[in-house]
Amino acid sequence: DVVMTQSPLSLPVTLGQPASISCRSSQSLVYSDGNTYLNWFQQRPGQSPRRLIYKVSNRDSGVPDRFSGSGSGTDFTLKISRVEAEDVGVYYCMQGTHWPPFTFGPGTKVDIK
Amino acid sequence: EVQLVESGGGLVKPGGSLRLSCAASGFTFSSYSMNWVRQAPGKGLEWVSSISSSSSYIYYADSVKGRFTISRDNAKNSLYLQMNSLRAEDTAVYYCANGGNFDYWGQGTLVTVSS
Repeated sequence: DVVMTQSPLSLPVTLGQPASISCRSSQSLVYSDGNTYLNWFQQRPGQSPRRLIYKVSNRDSGVPDRFSGSGSGTDFTLKISRVEAEDVGVYYCMQGTHWPPFTFGPGTKVDIK
Repeated sequence: EVQLVESGGGLVKPGGSLRLSCAASGFTFSSYSMNWVRQAPGKGLEWVSSISSSSSYIYYADSVKGRFTISRDNAKNSLYLQMNSLRAEDTAVYYCANGGNFDYWGQGTLVTVSS
């Protein structure tokens, strides 16, 4: 199974400042079709997960452009250019290349300093 | 607007059974694979099971294989998860999500396994 790791696991941030979350996979997430199936999800307190980014860098409809995804192979990053209060929550990366099983990272908790 | 509404959760004793449902609307249900994902209290996300659009392909996590059964009814735009031989470690909020990239998620239904 592909193991997903994230760092940091806790990220206190100052409002208006940037934030960055790293996600690493135990093997390359490049699929035979050339796509890389790495997604990012946000889970605000008390809510269900919501997808923010799919296939590494594609932002979902309605997701603010302060969120961006990048990376390749086994190393990926979610960046928030300027953190707002509504960004508090837990962020998960998930791989959909080598499945089953789909595997999630442990989550990174973002809160305000 | 895509909507996924789970139901069927509750309190059940170890060894018992429950059937979860997920009612879908706002997209062409019969064209999408569907998934169940669970989240134990205070923990992260764990994939449980997936089913292809026509039910031809079904997959389970090792932790539930042989105990859980995923199914769907495309005429009713509904997804199901039959859970048998429940254990304390199955206690979690269960979410349904559509598509191979988990496009949209429901609000979840809580399953508590306790004596």
